[in-house]
Amino acid sequence: DQQVKQNSPSLSVQEGRISILNCDYTNSMFDYFLWYKKYPAEGPTFLISISSIKDKNEDGRFTVFLNKSAKHLSLHIVPSQPGDSAVYFCAASALADKLIFGTGTRLQVFP
Amino acid sequence: DSGVTQTPKHLITATGQRVTLRCSPRSGDLSVYWYQQSLDQGLQFLIQYYNGEERAKGNILERFSAQQFPDLHSELNLSSLELGDSALYFCASSASWGGQETQYFGPGTRLLVL
Repeated sequence: DQQVKQNSPSLSVQEGRISILNCDYTNSMFDYFLWYKKYPAEGPTFLISISSIKDKNEDGRFTVFLNKSAKHLSLHIVPSQPGDSAVYFCAASALADKLIFGTGTRLQVFP
Repeated sequence: DSGVTQTPKHLITATGQRVTLRCSPRSGDLSVYWYQQSLDQGLQFLIQYYNGEERAKGNILERFSAQQFPDLHSELNLSSLELGDSALYFCASSASWGGQETQYFGPGTRLLVL
């Protein structure tokens, strides 16, 4: 049972445009959500997080939006840069429990 | 560099064998997590240790076991290996425990079972 789903395995965006990565979840008990970025041959690195009491969190070019009623979150990258090309994982946790990760979306930013 | 080290980077072995993966957490971190990433799969949580004690368990097979030592490094033991155990194994660490703790990941160990 996949509690955290990233239905788009890949996304291709032109440099300078907006990248939108989506994530859906099924467990209404999730109260904390994170995005991790992974380059080849490296481990995932933390990017940005959001608590369920918020609907938006911004950090520079990265913004995460949370829609609790739709059980949906998204990561916006504006403007996209070639260095953003990586695999992005969303993750969620419930009541300070373990993290549940999605399957990842591979973002490619082309010139 | 996350500060989390994992050895070895690559491991090739045969079915039925046993291997040990090692992880050293970031300085000062008390929690260690182990994850498995198979082809086209997300990161599957296996097990977490906090200050030497098992804190949480995920979908870890009975053939797998782990421990965290007094110096806080951790080892993941995989025995009676099967072809399906071929995967990337990541270790992560955090200062404390809980889903809101930022986890810092090591570079992973790529295991290939032939």
